[in-house]
Amino acid sequence: GNSVTQMEGPVTLSEEAFLTINCTYTATGYPSLFWYVQYPGEGLQLLLKATKADDKGSNKGFEATYRKETTSFHLEKGSVQVSDSAVYFCALSVNGNQFYFGTGTSLTVIP
Amino acid sequence: EAGVVQSPRYKIIEKKQPVAFWCNPISGHNTLYWYRQNLGQGPELLIRYENEEAVDDSQLPKDRFSAERLKGVDSTLKIQPAELGDSAVYLCASSFGGLAGTQETQYFGPGTRLLVL
Repeated sequence: GNSVTQMEGPVTLSEEAFLTINCTYTATGYPSLFWYVQYPGEGLQLLLKATKADDKGSNKGFEATYRKETTSFHLEKGSVQVSDSAVYFCALSVNGNQFYFGTGTSLTVIP
Repeated sequence: EAGVVQSPRYKIIEKKQPVAFWCNPISGHNTLYWYRQNLGQGPELLIRYENEEAVDDSQLPKDRFSAERLKGVDSTLKIQPAELGDSAVYLCASSFGGLAGTQETQYFGPGTRLLVL
């Protein structure tokens, strides 16, 4: 079946620290992979995506590389800011319209 | 361009009462999704529409939940009667279904936060 497993939180970092949030997946076929971010009181927003193996998605300083050999799509940022505090969801899509989400990882960045 | 619009943003009802949520997707998006998000969890699909047709409703509790998208644009999700366990955030999302096999991005609305007392 199709599923996403992401590291449990909460994660608390100091400003300017390096961030990694792990995500692994199982899928039938060739999925696209996504990271969504949810700020307090808001809906999910697409952060970045990758549609095939070895693609790197990037946005707002965040990056994730589609690793088929390890079935992973880890989210990284070199220097986090207080404004990055949110819940981050890893997701996969198969057939263009079936989406599966992880349970989310809460990130808090302290000044 | 306007995003996905949902209303109401918050709803508090007593158990056994009915409740309805409304969603207007991004213009031109033919695929519409309703998700339920429990506290501390990721979204779980309830139903997916392609235009006005419900193509995946396998996770919709049909004894109390119903949905419609009559003209293939906006959609309504209803719960009747509501139970305590229905307290959650109900998210609507839309995407443009392109060529078969292409991977399309979903865009989410802000959600409706439901509390059943």
